[in-house]
Amino acid sequence: DGGITQSPKYLFRKEGQNVTLSCEQNLNHDAMYWYRQDPGQGLRLIYYSQIVNDFQKGDIAEGYSVSREKKESFPLTVTSAQKNPTAFYLCASSMAIREDTDTQYFGPGTRLTVL
Amino acid sequence: DAKTTQPPSMDCAEGRAANLPCNHSTISGNEYVYWYRQIHSQGPQYIIHGLKNNETNEMASLIITEDRKSSTLILPHATLRDTAVYYCIVRVEAAGNKLTFGGGTRVLVKP
Repeated sequence: DGGITQSPKYLFRKEGQNVTLSCEQNLNHDAMYWYRQDPGQGLRLIYYSQIVNDFQKGDIAEGYSVSREKKESFPLTVTSAQKNPTAFYLCASSMAIREDTDTQYFGPGTRLTVL
Repeated sequence: DAKTTQPPSMDCAEGRAANLPCNHSTISGNEYVYWYRQIHSQGPQYIIHGLKNNETNEMASLIITEDRKSSTLILPHATLRDTAVYYCIVRVEAAGNKLTFGGGTRVLVKP
């Protein structure tokens, strides 16, 4: 089945620890995105990548880092510098970032809780 | 960024059509209207999008007014599994093609 996978679904970490969230897609999409969602709120863009080995900061990149070494993978690291890391993290991908009608498709999400 | 306004909640009877309104009075000429939905604790699901013309797919229909200042998403035969938060989004062309989600409409389909 084609799609976007995120693992794990639930993740618990102690305060001060870095944690890496996985995102994989087999849709052959060029662009990938990371969003954060807090309870009762909309999505906020953390990072995005248009092509392998390239990525840009979104609206709330502080305390996060990403890499794009392979087209199908876009892992997100939540560092200890992120002051409020507990949230629902969503990965998305799309065919091409410059298309006018570039539809983003989302993974199932990872719920991170920092204790 | 063009902002959208949606009612915070609405109920719908199972088997009936659900009509979800959205106002986007500041939309610019080259911005598309997208609809997503999010079932509790899941990732958003793409439903449909359009520019000027009405659109239909296997999930829903999208009706956009001639002046493009508002639109309506129609779920033709609502089922209990359609209970979700529905987001109307106007596409932002800058800043990495991000999707800006507002408050959405919480739709409850009742038996």
